[in-house]
Amino acid sequence: ELKVEQNPLFLSMQEGKNYTIYCNYSTTSDRLYWYRQDPGKSLESLFVLLSNGAVKQEGRLMASLDTKARLSTLHITAAVHDLSATYFCAVFGSSNTGKLIFGQGTTLQVKP
Amino acid sequence: EPEVTQTPSHQVTQMGQEVILRCVPISNHLYFYWYRQILGQKVEFLVSFYNNEISEKSEIFDDQFSVERPDGSNFTLKIRSTKLEDSAMYFCASRLGDTGELFFGEGSRLTVL
Repeated sequence: ELKVEQNPLFLSMQEGKNYTIYCNYSTTSDRLYWYRQDPGKSLESLFVLLSNGAVKQEGRLMASLDTKARLSTLHITAAVHDLSATYFCAVFGSSNTGKLIFGQGTTLQVKP
Repeated sequence: EPEVTQTPSHQVTQMGQEVILRCVPISNHLYFYWYRQILGQKVEFLVSFYNNEISEKSEIFDDQFSVERPDGSNFTLKIRSTKLEDSAMYFCASRLGDTGELFFGEGSRLTVL
């Protein structure tokens, strides 16, 4: 059974600081997704990483994928309060039904 | 922009009652899913649906759960006899097929008393 693990699970940081969230997964997959969730809200797609070495950036967030290491990172640059949310990575399961297996989520709190 | 829509946004029910959650996936999408999220926890896969049948289901999706696509546009999740532990946010999602990106609805919050 595919396992997806994120760390840290909770991150409190000051505005202006940089930090990285890690996502490890247990079986081979060449597709990984990052989602953002605000409290009580739905999942907003941030990044779709479709191949080894893929790197995508949007504003202060940058995601990368290393399929050989089974690792994805979400790097936050110069954090601002608006980035406070829970971030999930998700990987396709081994079946061909397209189900996603989610990590536990990383709750980011950016303090002014 | 096309979106997945879900109704109701919040439903409160008594234990043992039947509940139907409704979803309208994006119109040209072919794969449909239900996920659930217990408050403060991770998002868990329930079931996938393709070509008018279940393609995969998780251990959570027991005999109390069923899905249906009754009219080619709606996609429903039925819980026959709700339990307290069914209280969660239920998300519907759909995808076209090629890119694999899943688009999620806003969710239906189910509270079982």
